Amino acid sequence: GESVGLHLPTLSVQEGDNSIINCAYSNSASDYFIWYKQESGKGPQFIIDIRSNMDKRQGQRVTVLLNKTVKHLSLQIAATQPGDSAVYFCAENYTGNQFYFGTGTSLTVIP
Amino acid sequence: DAGITQSPRYKITETGRQVTLMCHQTWSHSYMFWYRQDLGHGLRLIYYSAAADITDKGEVPDGYVVSRSKTENFPLTLESATRSQTSVYFCASSEPGLTDGYTFGSGTRLTVV
Repeated sequence: GESVGLHLPTLSVQEGDNSIINCAYSNSASDYFIWYKQESGKGPQFIIDIRSNMDKRQGQRVTVLLNKTVKHLSLQIAATQPGDSAVYFCAENYTGNQFYFGTGTSLTVIP
Repeated sequence: DAGITQSPRYKITETGRQVTLMCHQTWSHSYMFWYRQDLGHGLRLIYYSAAADITDKGEVPDGYVVSRSKTENFPLTLESATRSQTSVYFCASSEPGLTDGYTFGSGTRLTVV
């Protein structure tokens, strides 16, 4: 039979609503985390970072929350816009200058 | 232009051929990285380099070779391309101490037929 490829988790939101994208990271020793945005046909682009000594960090329309107890990161996007449609990755750092990336979440903003 | 540039943007090659993907950065960042991106696997590290003439394996190095004779260039060579190496390849650079992680190139979409 036909094989089915793996699909990214997806999230669809109405324009103007808030979006929450979640990420479970793997290593309890990770001390630095970054969220990246990847638009179609482009490379990942830095959005916001957070260190393990923080629980929350805010940027422009974005907030990252870190829960070390359950090894969970979330990215909140306020007043989501069509230009926010992209794939979002979390990345964790626990070895020198190397980051380890999640598989990503595809966000679609419905006008 | 300043930034990180990958070439070619698209490449189709035949199984068994050697192919080299180029990466050039203008920031003099110490670190450079090669990732491949496949659906369901996210970004996986192939090789990285901490400085000129220093390279090290990442998660999926088999079938790839890298070199870094100059700080600004980090070519990735597939010595004998296989269909499993069909992927999108991203080069990235970073400088320890910066807080913005990696800066990525626009990617090379490689198809091995």
